[in-house]
Amino acid sequence: AQSVAQPEDQVNVAEGNPLTVKCTYSVSGNPYLFWYVQYPNRGLQFLLKYITGDNLVKGSYGFEAEFNKSQTSFHLKKPSALVSDSALYFCAVRNQAGTALIFGKGTTLSVSS
Amino acid sequence: DTAVSQTPKYLVTQMGNDKSIKCEQNLGHDTMYWYKQDSKKFLKIMFSYNNKELIINETVPNRFSPKSPDKAHLNLHINSLELGDSAVYFCASSHAQKSTEAFFGQGTRLTVV
Repeated sequence: AQSVAQPEDQVNVAEGNPLTVKCTYSVSGNPYLFWYVQYPNRGLQFLLKYITGDNLVKGSYGFEAEFNKSQTSFHLKKPSALVSDSALYFCAVRNQAGTALIFGKGTTLSVSS
Repeated sequence: DTAVSQTPKYLVTQMGNDKSIKCEQNLGHDTMYWYKQDSKKFLKIMFSYNNKELIINETVPNRFSPKSPDKAHLNLHINSLELGDSAVYFCASSHAQKSTEAFFGQGTRLTVV
């Protein structure tokens, strides 16, 4: 079965510093991977996805993610964090039938000024 | 021009009542979903519909009954509400064959008292 793991419940970073939110996946076949962000009392917003092609994927709000097949990872990164990036981040993988996204437990990112 | 809209945004009701949550998407997608986000922020797929046909029905009590009158709508009816049903329910949609990301509604916060 497809699954993703987000090993960190919380990531703390100072504004202006680079940030990384980790995600590893377990799939049979080619992975379709996604990152979403959820701000308080809001729905999920799509950030970026990896389907095929370049291992470095660029997305919204300056975020990018690196797909690493050998390490089965899809870490979310940003070169310089903003306080407004503070939110809950979810990694997700599409199930094999293509009929649902399976989400990790989420990682709370806290950016301090 | 809200892509995925769900109503109501907040729902407070007593145990034993029956309630419905409505969802509509104007993206032309062929697949719609209901997700449940619990108090720990875990997101779990409940149902998935493709072209009005039920595709995924996870381990959900049969008090929950989805209905899709057409491809643009997916409603969720809940009978005999219980305290444990309190959660945020998200509707989402995507295009199954195009490997696109899913778009989420703003969520319905259900509180059973």
